[in-house]
Amino acid sequence: AQKITQTQPGMFVQEKEAVTLDCTYDTSDQSYGLFWYKQPSSGEMIFLIYQGSYDEQNATEGRYSLNFQKARKSANLVISASQLGDSAMYFCAMRDYNNDMRFGAGTRLTVKP
Amino acid sequence: DAGITQSPRHKVTETGTPVTLRCHQTENHRYMYWYRQDPGHGLRLIHYSYGVKDTDKGEVSDGYSVSRSKTEDFLLTLESATSSQTSVYFCAIKRGQTEAFFGQGTRLTVV
Repeated sequence: AQKITQTQPGMFVQEKEAVTLDCTYDTSDQSYGLFWYKQPSSGEMIFLIYQGSYDEQNATEGRYSLNFQKARKSANLVISASQLGDSAMYFCAMRDYNNDMRFGAGTRLTVKP
Repeated sequence: DAGITQSPRHKVTETGTPVTLRCHQTENHRYMYWYRQDPGHGLRLIHYSYGVKDTDKGEVSDGYSVSRSKTEDFLLTLESATSSQTSVYFCAIKRGQTEAFFGQGTRLTVV
């Protein structure tokens, strides 16, 4: 089964600066999807961005972009122009060819004013 | 968004009792998932379903069973609850190719 690794338990960023949250994955599948979710203190899981393994361009959604490096098996989330409301837990996930979807342990991001 | 509803939202139960959590979707999606969330572990897949009566185990399936007799309902059962199953449980649906949409979560406490 696939394994998702988020090596940063906690990150701090100054408001209005950019931040990168790391995610590496391990799979033998050729076809898979990568996801990032945000979980604020209220507890809901909010979908942010998706990257397919065959997508040649990095995915972007507003201030979120996914830095996809297939050979290195990394799928880092970049948040530009951080806002106080970005403070939350962030989870990286991968869905494999069989639609088995696994998550990393998460990174807690704190945005400082 | 009311596309997926979990019930109950909160439950306290005693060790050794059976517990069933329900996930209900209104969108007719084929794939449904059950996760548990614990500090330091993120979300861990318990079981998932790819259709009526079609289910598969995830990474932490011991002590849990699931059933899917209708497309819209995916039930998670703890046959004999233990304190280690105290957790927040999330249900999710695969919505198209590019998204998995989550329910609000169920906080289960086993005392």
